[in-house]
Amino acid sequence: QKEVEQNSGPLSVPEGAIASLNCTYSDRGSQSFFWYRQYSGKSPELIMFIYSNGDKEDGRFTAQLNKASQYVSLLIRDSQPSDSATYLCAGEGSRGPGTYKYIFGTGTRLKVLA
Amino acid sequence: EAQVTQNPRYLITVTGKKLTVTCSQNMNHEYMSWYRQDPGLGLRQIYYSMNVEVTDKGDVPEGYKVSRKEKRNFPLILESPSPNQTSLYFCASRGPGGDLGSYEQYFGPGTRLTVT
Repeated sequence: QKEVEQNSGPLSVPEGAIASLNCTYSDRGSQSFFWYRQYSGKSPELIMFIYSNGDKEDGRFTAQLNKASQYVSLLIRDSQPSDSATYLCAGEGSRGPGTYKYIFGTGTRLKVLA
Repeated sequence: EAQVTQNPRYLITVTGKKLTVTCSQNMNHEYMSWYRQDPGLGLRQIYYSMNVEVTDKGDVPEGYKVSRKEKRNFPLILESPSPNQTSLYFCASRGPGGDLGSYEQYFGPGTRLTVT
C-alpha cells in the first residue's frame, strides 16, 4: 500500500504562472516532508523540506504542510521552462526521530510552456 | 566538492552472477541509503544505514545485501541477480538532521543495471 500519493501528471502551466503540486500521505507518524526535483536521466535534488504545519517560503518556492489533513503541497511562482521536471514528494518514516526511512511518491511531471 | 559517487554507472549482467555496486561519500555523513527507481513505482528505499555497522531494511530489501564497514562507503551487493532487479539505482547520504543543512539528502548519479 502506497503511503505517499501524488498525481503523476503531466501538469502543464504557462510560463510565469503558479504551479501547484500536491501530495497526500497515510503515515500520521511522519515528521518531515521533502520536495525533490528530478530532471530526466538525473538524480533527485532537494528543493524544500518542511516539518511544521503551515507555509515555508524559499525564493519562488513555497511548501505547505497540513498534518491534520495529511497533505503537503509545493507552489512554484513565476514558473520557468527550466522548472520542467518531475517533482517527488517524500515523507520521513516514523520509526523514531532521525530514523532516516524515506517513503517517496511516484512523482508529478511538470511542464512549463514557453 | 561535496559528492556521492557510484560505480559502475552502467552495468549489464546475467542472471545469477554476483555483483557489487559501490557508493562513496566525502561529506562525513552518518546516514547512507540505497534506492531503486522504476517507472510508475517511483523511488523505493532498499536499505539504509545510520552509522558504521548499523543498517536496516527499507521497503524492498529482498535480493539485496549491504554492509557499512567504513563511514564513507556503503556498497550494495546482489548475490544472485534476477531480471526483476533491472532498475536505476541511487545511493544517497545525509547528515544527522537537526539543523538546516543536515536535512539535505545528496544523491549519487545513479547506476543503471540490466539483468538478462
